[in-house]
Amino acid sequence: EAGVAQSPRYKIIEKRQSVAFWCNPISGHATLYWYQQILGQGPKLLIQFQNNGVVDDSQLPKDRFSAERLKGVDSTLKIQPAKLEDSAVYLCASSPQGAGEQYFGPGTRLTVT
Amino acid sequence: AQTVTQSQPEMSVQEAETVTLSCTYDTSENNYYLFWYKQPPSRQMILVIRQEAYKQQNATENRFSVNFQKAAKSFSLKISDSQLGDTAMYFCAFMPYPWGGNNRKLIWGLGTSLAVNP
Repeated sequence: EAGVAQSPRYKIIEKRQSVAFWCNPISGHATLYWYQQILGQGPKLLIQFQNNGVVDDSQLPKDRFSAERLKGVDSTLKIQPAKLEDSAVYLCASSPQGAGEQYFGPGTRLTVT
Repeated sequence: AQTVTQSQPEMSVQEAETVTLSCTYDTSENNYYLFWYKQPPSRQMILVIRQEAYKQQNATENRFSVNFQKAAKSFSLKISDSQLGDTAMYFCAFMPYPWGGNNRKLIWGLGTSLAVNP
């Protein structure tokens, strides 16, 4: 079974630029999560999708971050414009319907200069 | 508020020995999951083991086992026969499980950095 795929793996941009991350969950997983993890901290949930609907986006900075999962499969997270404090690893995870465990992708390491 | 506490920021162990990482949590929920995740330097988050609160039997997964004490709200991870590849950050996480709800939110501890020494 293929795992959660993310791209790109690394991205370096200047502040005020835009960036987009892509995630393809494990086949059949209804729930998809985007996390932000700053070095030395635990992951922080940005947004949770159930199929193509948003379940929780309470910690998503909506003035600059957006996410979509149009067909209930893969998802895109965008930052526009980026700030220095957005430097972090962005993790995507998925889980099957009704399950507790989440399976994570390799992450995208973003550096904003 | 629901919280997860990992009281050991850093630990080290010699290869082939056994180490125990501690985790306590605070909740008023009766139904929940508990997890240990491992994050090596690659930053990939890997599920190590999970425990459902209604199960009294402690979960095991090869060299990894837990000691789940529901009344004490304690969930420690034991790693037996430690290997160099076990060097990683270990996160304890808790997920309340409201029956029929879709909002399955993980609450994370701050992690324990484990170094396995040759």
